[in-house]
Amino acid sequence: EVQLVESGGGLVQPGGSLRLSCAASGFTFSSYSMNWVRQAPGKGLEWVSYISSSSSTIYYADSVKGRFTISRDNAKNSLYLQMNSLRDEDTAVYYCAREGDIVGATYFDYWGQGTLVTVSS
Amino acid sequence: SYVLTQPPSVSVAPGQTARITCGGNNIGSKSVHWYQQKPGQAPVLVVYDDSDRPSGIPERFSGSNSGNTATLTISRVEAGDEADYYCQVWDSSSDLWVFGGGTKLTVL
Repeated sequence: EVQLVESGGGLVQPGGSLRLSCAASGFTFSSYSMNWVRQAPGKGLEWVSYISSSSSTIYYADSVKGRFTISRDNAKNSLYLQMNSLRDEDTAVYYCAREGDIVGATYFDYWGQGTLVTVSS
Repeated sequence: SYVLTQPPSVSVAPGQTARITCGGNNIGSKSVHWYQQKPGQAPVLVVYDDSDRPSGIPERFSGSNSGNTATLTISRVEAGDEADYYCQVWDSSSDLWVFGGGTKLTVL
């Protein structure tokens, strides 16, 4: 069974940093591209970042570019999101999501339950 | 950047058919994916690549995509289908994944 479990969320002051983790199990993690998607309270879904299976390709949403860094450790079956210079508008539930298993897939077939990040003074 | 437009809400009686639209410039040239999200839960993929269903998703869920509009159709709507639904595409011109604003489906 595919499982994605996020951790690392919490309360942080504006300008602070936080590192999110996503532990993957039930599939060959090193074969899949992964993403972070967030959802502000009461709002819709917003894609945040993408990383290919080998980490060779990385993309960011304009809203986080230069502040967030995505990475992965295939040996540990883990995905990370380093968030720096946090702003109030970064407050959201952050989900890790697996890219679909069809070559060229552009959808997210499995999602974690999310971790809440609250940026507030 | 590419924009996807969904109606904020759609209401339907049980047993009827719900249609949720997703508008975008020449969206028919893109692959559209749909997610269902119930309160307090993570999104679930219900349709991918315009009209394919993941295993475990009922045949009542179907999709179509042409021109400037993609549509998620839910036949024989049940109370358990009440949720927020999001469309999503990958914008190849900018290498960004884009979500629509979401549609709240209410089962009357």
